[in-house]
Amino acid sequence: AQSVTQLDSQVPVFEEAPVELRCNYSSSVSVYLFWYVQYPNQGLQLLLKYLSGSTLVKGINGFEAEFNKSQTSFHLRKPSVHISDTTEYFCAVSLFSGNTPLVFGKGTRLSVIA
Amino acid sequence: DADVTQTPRNRITKTGKRIMLECSQTKGHDRMYWYRQDPGLGLRLIYYSFDVKDINKGEISDGYSVSRQAQAKFSLSLESAIPNQTALYFCATSDSGTGAYGYTFGSGTRLTVV
Repeated sequence: AQSVTQLDSQVPVFEEAPVELRCNYSSSVSVYLFWYVQYPNQGLQLLLKYLSGSTLVKGINGFEAEFNKSQTSFHLRKPSVHISDTTEYFCAVSLFSGNTPLVFGKGTRLSVIA
Repeated sequence: DADVTQTPRNRITKTGKRIMLECSQTKGHDRMYWYRQDPGLGLRLIYYSFDVKDINKGEISDGYSVSRQAQAKFSLSLESAIPNQTALYFCATSDSGTGAYGYTFGSGTRLTVV
């Protein structure tokens, strides 16, 4: 079965600095990979996804992620964060068929410091 | 109206009580899911349904049951609530065309068992 590990439970960063939220996955077959964001009192919103093709994927709000098959990683990056980026981020994986439910990591709390 | 509506938004109940959380969707999706979120544990899958006649257990189904009353409705029941079922519960939907990469989440139900 596939699994996801988010390597940092909390990441503090100063405003306008770059940030990387780390995600590793485990699967014996090809997978689809996702990053979701959760704002307070709301459900999860898709930031970006990797299905196939280019390993660098761009998402909403200036976020991007790079799929690295050899390192089984899918790290999320933003070159310059804003206060409004402070919230919880989740990495998730599904088997390549897309016909299995998403498996989520435990989340990373990004705190942007003014 | 929201695409995926969860009711109630908040609920406090006593140990031993039966409680039902409801989810309805206007997306026309055939697949529906129930996850629970606990701090530091991310989202864990309770049950999922790929169509009205299909119900599957997830990672943490013990103590829960579900009913898929129609394509648009998927209810989660706690037959005898216990305090460690205190959590934030999310319903999500997707269709068979997009599968796991087409999730739409509800805003969640915050359940407290005292």
